[in-house]
Amino acid sequence: EVQLVESGGGLVQPGRSLKLSCLASGFTFSNYGMNWIRQAPGKGLEWVASISSSSSYIYYADTVKGRFTISRDNAKNTLYLQMTSLRSEDTALYYCARHRLGGHYFDYWGQGVMVTVSS
Amino acid sequence: DVQMTQSLSYLAASPGESVSISCKASKSISNYLAWYQQKPGEAYKLLIYSGSTLQSGTPSRFSGSGSGTDFTLTIRSLEPEDFGLYYCQQYYEKPYTFGAGTKLELK
Repeated sequence: EVQLVESGGGLVQPGRSLKLSCLASGFTFSNYGMNWIRQAPGKGLEWVASISSSSSYIYYADTVKGRFTISRDNAKNTLYLQMTSLRSEDTALYYCARHRLGGHYFDYWGQGVMVTVSS
Repeated sequence: DVQMTQSLSYLAASPGESVSISCKASKSISNYLAWYQQKPGEAYKLLIYSGSTLQSGTPSRFSGSGSGTDFTLTIRSLEPEDFGLYYCQQYYEKPYTFGAGTKLELK
C-alpha cells in the first residue's frame, strides 16, 4: 500500500525557517517524481514544487522560488521541503504528492502537515 | 498561469441522482486535466486523468469529458460515499493549477 507521511510542521515566526519531510513507503520511491502542494486555510490548492526521480529536474512556484528548496534522499525514501524566510502567507497545510509515472498529475497524496507562520 | 474555474462552489444532491461538475480553463489545455476527490479526514484521491480516463479503483459511475477549455465530471447515481469536495487540475504547463473546488453536499 502506497503511503506518504508528512512531518516537521508547526508554528514558526515570520522570517524563520522550517524543514518538512515526507516518508514514502509501499512503492519504489526512486522511480517517481514527487511534489509539495499546499492549501491555505479556507483557500484552494497551490502547487509548490516538483522534483524528478533522480533530482535532475526541479521546479518551483513563483511564490516560493528563492525561499523554498525541494530535495529528496532516495536511500531514505524521503522527500524534503526546506522553507526559509517564511511569511504569514506561507501558512497552510502542506501535502506531499506522488507524480504518476508518465504523467504530471498526482496519484497519491499524504494527509498533510500544518505550517503556521505567526509572531 | 492557466486559471481553472469551477463555477459552482456548492452542489446539493440526493443519493441516486446524477450530477455534473464543470471546470473551465483560461486557455486550451488539450486533455491535460485531472479530477480529485477529498473527503474529511482522508487524503486526496485521484479520480480521473487525461480528461476522461478513470484511475484504477474509481467506480464506473464517475466519468469525465471535455477537452480544450471546458471539462465536466459526471457522477451517475450518487452513492453516500460520493459526497465531498471535488477539484480539477491542469497539467498542461507549470505551474500546475487547480480549480477552487466544488463541494458536493447531501440534499
